Amino acid sequence: NAGVMQNPRHLVRRRGQEARLRCSPMKGHSHVYWYRQLPEEGLKFMVYLQKENIIDESGMPKERFSAEFPKEGPSILRIQQVVRGDSAAYFCASSNRVDTQYFGPGTRLTVL
Amino acid sequence: DQQVKQNSPSLSVQEGRISILNCDYTNSMFDYFLWYKKYPAEGPTFLISISSIKDKNEDGRFTVFLNKSAKHLSLHIVPSQPGDSAVYFCAASALGGSSNTGKLIFGQGTTLQVKP
Repeated sequence: NAGVMQNPRHLVRRRGQEARLRCSPMKGHSHVYWYRQLPEEGLKFMVYLQKENIIDESGMPKERFSAEFPKEGPSILRIQQVVRGDSAAYFCASSNRVDTQYFGPGTRLTVL
Repeated sequence: DQQVKQNSPSLSVQEGRISILNCDYTNSMFDYFLWYKKYPAEGPTFLISISSIKDKNEDGRFTVFLNKSAKHLSLHIVPSQPGDSAVYFCAASALGGSSNTGKLIFGQGTTLQVKP
């Protein structure tokens, strides 16, 4: 886990609000992945990004969810108009090539 | 459609003994497999990986075995230590595919408890 940073670690939102989750990859890593873990389940792939490009968003819900990885700054996963079903742990992972991914500590989102 | 399955939700072993965690997959395009260890409220920690061109990879107390014909892999921990108590996730990827994005498909996890 060393090096991949996520913030905030815990986020509480009311239904209808927006949630912004940030991920700074390990130094030298240009590949960022987002995963979601619902209670009692494994991690599910959401999106894969490289700098300024979304490479694979096949796991992203069609509405309300978006992700970016700008040229400068962290990757951001944005959830608009959150609902209770969005409550989960969101993990970011980074790699310097397309194989082993290293995970951050996660952001635990609670929607009231 | 669960492409990666860990059929044992939990496993309990005595300290010093061998722990064997199992994982099955269905997608024959998977060619890279990883094991992660996860403590509560933390992110998964990479343990060990194996490419489909191998059938075994060893790193200290951890060994991963791959049986491609059975679409089965296992993680052996010898000797098991109380600090190994955690949730273990198996994950698979299709690196050689035309859409080589490296996304990981995870199993549901197995909770290992090592008793002193």
